[in-house]
Amino acid sequence: GNSVTQMEGPVTLSEEAFLTINCTYTATGYPSLFWYVQYPGEGLQLLLKATKADDKGSNKGFEATYRKETTSFHLEKGSVQVSDSAVYFCALKGSNYQLIWGAGTKLIIKP
Amino acid sequence: KAGVTQTPRYLIKTRGQQVTLSCSPISGHRSVSWYQQTPGQGLQFLFEYFSETQRNKGNFPGRFSGRQFSNSRSEMNVSTLELGDSALYLCASSLEQASYEQYFGPGTRLTVT
Repeated sequence: GNSVTQMEGPVTLSEEAFLTINCTYTATGYPSLFWYVQYPGEGLQLLLKATKADDKGSNKGFEATYRKETTSFHLEKGSVQVSDSAVYFCALKGSNYQLIWGAGTKLIIKP
Repeated sequence: KAGVTQTPRYLIKTRGQQVTLSCSPISGHRSVSWYQQTPGQGLQFLFEYFSETQRNKGNFPGRFSGRQFSNSRSEMNVSTLELGDSALYLCASSLEQASYEQYFGPGTRLTVT
């Protein structure tokens, strides 16, 4: 079945550091891929998405590229800020239209 | 435009009781999905409603049920509560069924004692 694997957290970085959160998936067919973010005390927000191979999703300085050959969708940001501290979830939506979620990665940015 | 609202935000129930959670989608959105979030199992899809009909269902027992009203508002019900049902229950709305873009509410934190 479909599944998503994310790197375990927490990930702790200093402000302005480069961020990578790894995400790999297993799926039949060609799923759509997403990154969601959950800020403390808030609901989930869609951060970015990619619907086909080689698509690059981007938003708020974050980027992720749909890599079919490595079944990956790693999240990157060139220079993180304290306000980026949150939990990040990688997810896929397959042919049954259900969102399958990774376990989430907590990101802590220190000033 | 107002976001997705969920009520109540916090709830404490006893084992064996039942509970009803409510979700009001963004105005104009016709699809509502429900998710359970726990530290152990992470986020899991419960079901999706569109036009008052359940269109998709996750792998949860029949104690978990839901419905959608003509104004797109949705409720989910959990009967015969178990300790393991303690979780954050999230509702998400979207314009259409199986839409890529879902907008989440803040969730209802259910604690079963």
